[in-house]
Amino acid sequence: DAGVTQSPTHLIKTRGQQVTLRCSPISGHKSVSWYQQVLGQGPQFIFQYYEKEERGRGNFPDRFSARQFPNYSSELNVNALLLGDSALYLCASSGQGTDTQYFGPGTRLTVL
Amino acid sequence: AQSVAQPEDQVNVAEGNPLTVKCTYSVSGNPYLFWYVQYPNRGLQFLLKYITGDNLVKGSYGFEAEFNKSQTSFHLKKPSALVSDSALYFCAVRDWNTGTASKLTFGTGTRLQVTL
Repeated sequence: DAGVTQSPTHLIKTRGQQVTLRCSPISGHKSVSWYQQVLGQGPQFIFQYYEKEERGRGNFPDRFSARQFPNYSSELNVNALLLGDSALYLCASSGQGTDTQYFGPGTRLTVL
Repeated sequence: AQSVAQPEDQVNVAEGNPLTVKCTYSVSGNPYLFWYVQYPNRGLQFLLKYITGDNLVKGSYGFEAEFNKSQTSFHLKKPSALVSDSALYFCAVRDWNTGTASKLTFGTGTRLQVTL
């Protein structure tokens, strides 16, 4: 079975631009979470979506937004990019009734 | 607030020797604890979790972890290390202060280096 997939793999943007990252969960998983991992640190929670509704939001500015589609895939949008947004963005999915999150390979965003 | 601490930035061990990667936790509810491994330029790979039950949890690739409530620890162990185990290891705890969200709070990571 396919795991969590993310696209694109790498992305280079300049300050002030906007970016959209995409995630497809494991088949049958209805929950998707997004994390930001800055170099040298552990992942930080950004959002969780379940059945297309936001379940939780981490300590990130309103420039970060997300949504989940009827097929449970998800997009993370970041507006007005800052240099500090450069990071590995990880998507994770989990099945109903379990707290185990399975992560995708991530999208590495570089902001110049 | 929920948190985990990984006191060692790096652990060095010779192949064939036992390894331990340390993690301590601080939670206000039930401690749901996880270990993940990250290889270079890759996402996180789930190794094992403790929810309830036996204090010794067995996971993937020969790894196991020991939950110790009195010491609030959840150390990752393997009886015999392999060079291929060299990677970045993260301990994480389920954060209960997020309403209905299932949020993980991660430690800062421990780099494991296994040498011949």
